[in-house]
Amino acid sequence: DTAVSQTPKYLVTQMGNDKSIKCEQNLGHDTMYWYKQDSKKFLKIMFSYNNKELIINETVPNRFSPKSPDKAHLNLHINSLELGDSAVYFCASSFPPPDTQYFGPGTRLTVL
Amino acid sequence: KNEVEQSPQNLTAQEGEFITINCSYSVGISALHWLQQHPGGGIVSLFMLSSGKKKHGRLIATINIQEKHSSLHITASHPRDSAVYICAAASNFGNEKLTFGTGTRLTIIP
Repeated sequence: DTAVSQTPKYLVTQMGNDKSIKCEQNLGHDTMYWYKQDSKKFLKIMFSYNNKELIINETVPNRFSPKSPDKAHLNLHINSLELGDSAVYFCASSFPPPDTQYFGPGTRLTVL
Repeated sequence: KNEVEQSPQNLTAQEGEFITINCSYSVGISALHWLQQHPGGGIVSLFMLSSGKKKHGRLIATINIQEKHSSLHITASHPRDSAVYICAAASNFGNEKLTFGTGTRLTIIP
């Protein structure tokens, strides 16, 4: 069983579109995260949720909106996609930090 | 200047060599994470430590809190160790936010 899963794995879309990336974890973790890895492979935190409550919200454009319907899911919705949004997005989960984080396989988003 | 600095950026070594990757940080931390990113892109957590030393198989991680420095060592390196190794500092300001280093690309030649 996959511990942290993300869908889709690849996402190619046009500028201006709205898209969502889904993340699910079956580890019973309370905390979930979204990270962005840019073209230079640099990772940066975007959001963190603990028990469906937002606890980290970095300086991310408000076109990005995380949604946590329950503590096993943290989805990322992106409005009005821009070229600069092209990146790999990783979801992760853990017990309340500091604790080992388990990463999903990543979603490669390409905006044309 | 990044809050978390890694060195070297790239490292190529022969199979069997002892490998050291360094990480220095300038922020207060509750823990230091070492991650491995495979050539296929997947990220695996190797260690999380807040003091002393941890060992798992051929991998050893150490941290010196006073000097704000951590090292990742690989003994008897093998081509399958080829990957990008990333250190990340967990903030001690309550939200445990991870700040990442830029990664070290390790290539082990058979």
